[in-house]
Amino acid sequence: AQKITQTQPGMFVQEKEAVTLDCTYDTSDPSYGLFWYKQPSSGEMIFLIYQGSYDQQNATEGRYSLNFQKARKSANLVISASQLGDSAMYFCAMREVTYGQNFVFGPGTRLSVLP
Amino acid sequence: GAGVSQSPSNKVTEKGKDVELRCDPISGHTALYWYRQSLGQGLEFLIYFQGNSAPDKSGLPSDRFSAERTGGSVSTLTIQRTQQEDSAVYLCASSRDGTSGTSTDTQYFGPGTRLTVL
Repeated sequence: AQKITQTQPGMFVQEKEAVTLDCTYDTSDPSYGLFWYKQPSSGEMIFLIYQGSYDQQNATEGRYSLNFQKARKSANLVISASQLGDSAMYFCAMREVTYGQNFVFGPGTRLSVLP
Repeated sequence: GAGVSQSPSNKVTEKGKDVELRCDPISGHTALYWYRQSLGQGLEFLIYFQGNSAPDKSGLPSDRFSAERTGGSVSTLTIQRTQQEDSAVYLCASSRDGTSGTSTDTQYFGPGTRLTVL
């Protein structure tokens, strides 16, 4: 069963606007971590942001924030004030702590920022 | 540098040959992962090393694939008798801890090795 779902294969956003990339996950483990990575055309995987399942507040890192809705099992990435350099693939990932030690990555969303 | 390094960056080989891909994790990181990424696709988990524990090999696609990690640091992924379908980018990642359930599980990736099998 697919544990990480990213329903948007591609997204477009105008420069300087905000954009939300969706991620839903499936787990029965009460303890887990959620991660977002960016992969530009150069191919490197860049860590963006982390959210723990027990964290009370939504994670933020600069222009990135994570809209964590635990009951809905969603962990959407919000990018504020989009820049041309934000154009990339974005992957959501999860690591279950109790039941497994492997990361599971979603299929990714390709974000294109328009000038 | 302080990041994860991989070598070679590119490897072109002929079908049937063996190849070795190397990964140098971040110093002090106990967990090391190998992934494969075909063109335009997501990440496919291959193998995971955690400290001195037996590796999780559940993602290796066939017995042509093997990996080892010497001294808890450098890792080598070996593909024997390469096939054209092995062509992909092979990514290595390390994390400070792979078992904490906290942000120290965050994986940091190397630049990858692009493997082309002719």
